[in-house]
Amino acid sequence: GAVVSQHPSWVICKSGTSVKIECRSLDFQATTMFWYRQFPKQSLMLMATSNEGSKATYEQGVEKDKFLINHASLTLSTLTVTSAHPEDSSFYICSARDASGYEQYFGPGTRLTVT
Amino acid sequence: KQEVTQIPAALSVPEGENLVLNCSFTDSAIYNLQWFRQDPGKGLTSLLLIQSSQREQTSGRLNASLDKSSGRSTLYIAASQPGDSATYLCAVRLNSGYSTLTFGKGTMLLVSP
Repeated sequence: GAVVSQHPSWVICKSGTSVKIECRSLDFQATTMFWYRQFPKQSLMLMATSNEGSKATYEQGVEKDKFLINHASLTLSTLTVTSAHPEDSSFYICSARDASGYEQYFGPGTRLTVT
Repeated sequence: KQEVTQIPAALSVPEGENLVLNCSFTDSAIYNLQWFRQDPGKGLTSLLLIQSSQREQTSGRLNASLDKSSGRSTLYIAASQPGDSATYLCAVRLNSGYSTLTFGKGTMLLVSP
């Protein structure tokens, strides 16, 4: 099956700093990428959808100026958490879909801890 | 707005039992439904994907059924093993081609030896 990678797998940062998470499709071209957030013992909540070369579409309640998403190529999307606060600590999972739109493939997730 | 509900929230069974996990969704106009497994602190592993025109899919000891008209799906696990312990997530995709998945909250399964 198609493979999606994320980097880093975990990161600890200080409050007020910014952190960037990368999501790559390794063996297919991801025309659409999705970013999810998961709190402990909760389900995945969609944060935003991005199409290559276009601005991301954010879900209601997600601050676009805080969670910057860039989908500059067909194999790479980045999520930057700006001015991170402890409440941003969470598990962030990216997902990618190719042009056929048939199935979504998920990355292994990134654990962000803001101290 | 599509809502996905999974019952039970948690389940504990002894090894060897057959079990059923339930998933219901409010909007029956779905494109497909997918079952995932998530181990603690890990990402998602896709188990089975059922297209809206299909009734069931099977993979090894797993069987997923879909009744689109009633908005229900079940995941049947035969002869459960301790290695099956994980959280199982159900997700549906609406029938608009490029819509995304809506997830349930999952069922946390514990299979004891």
